[in-house]
Amino acid sequence: GQQLNQSPQSMFIQEGEDVSMNCTSSSIFNTWLWYKQEPGEGPVLLIALYKAGELTSNGRLTAQFGITRKDSFLNISASIPSDVGIYFCAGQEESGGGADGLTFGKGTHLIIQP
Amino acid sequence: GAGVSQTPSNKVTEKGKYVELRCDPISGHTALYWYRQSLGQGPEFLIYFQGTGAADDSGLPNDRFFAVRPEGSVSTLKIQRTERGDSAVYLCASSLSPGQPQHFGDGTRLSIL
Repeated sequence: GQQLNQSPQSMFIQEGEDVSMNCTSSSIFNTWLWYKQEPGEGPVLLIALYKAGELTSNGRLTAQFGITRKDSFLNISASIPSDVGIYFCAGQEESGGGADGLTFGKGTHLIIQP
Repeated sequence: GAGVSQTPSNKVTEKGKYVELRCDPISGHTALYWYRQSLGQGPEFLIYFQGTGAADDSGLPNDRFFAVRPEGSVSTLKIQRTERGDSAVYLCASSLSPGQPQHFGDGTRLSIL
């Protein structure tokens, strides 16, 4: 089955630093999504990407859909304490093909030291 | 609220018992998904509904797991003869239509003793 390799597994950074994390896949995806999850809660959608090469921003967050359709990255600029959490990438095959379940990475645990 | 609602938030039961987990999707969302998340892992896909029908149940681990969505809105995930390995957080998500971004509930934390 498909696998997503997400790195790094964890990050310890200082407040104000920029953060970068990425995902690579053994298969092609037609949609890439980035979620953030905090303890006791479900994943919250941050950014959705639909086209190869697409670069999308949401405030201090920027994500890109790799041109090979097998990778994506997420950057967070000027980190703040509320950015703490686990960030997941997720890929989705083409809709209508009967395979709309998302495939998730194992997450990047972001820890910010004040 | 307007988000995906899951009940109960926590469920503790003994091995061998039957459990039902409920999901209320966002109003108007036609697609509904169930995932299972083990500690330290990302969610794993279980089953996807488009309307009332299960369009893809390839993620269900075995025949002890079953899900229904009889009226195309609320869904129930049913687990028979529970085993300790079934302990996990069960997440539900919905999307406006297939291929649209999925929005998650806060999950049901299932513990099998």
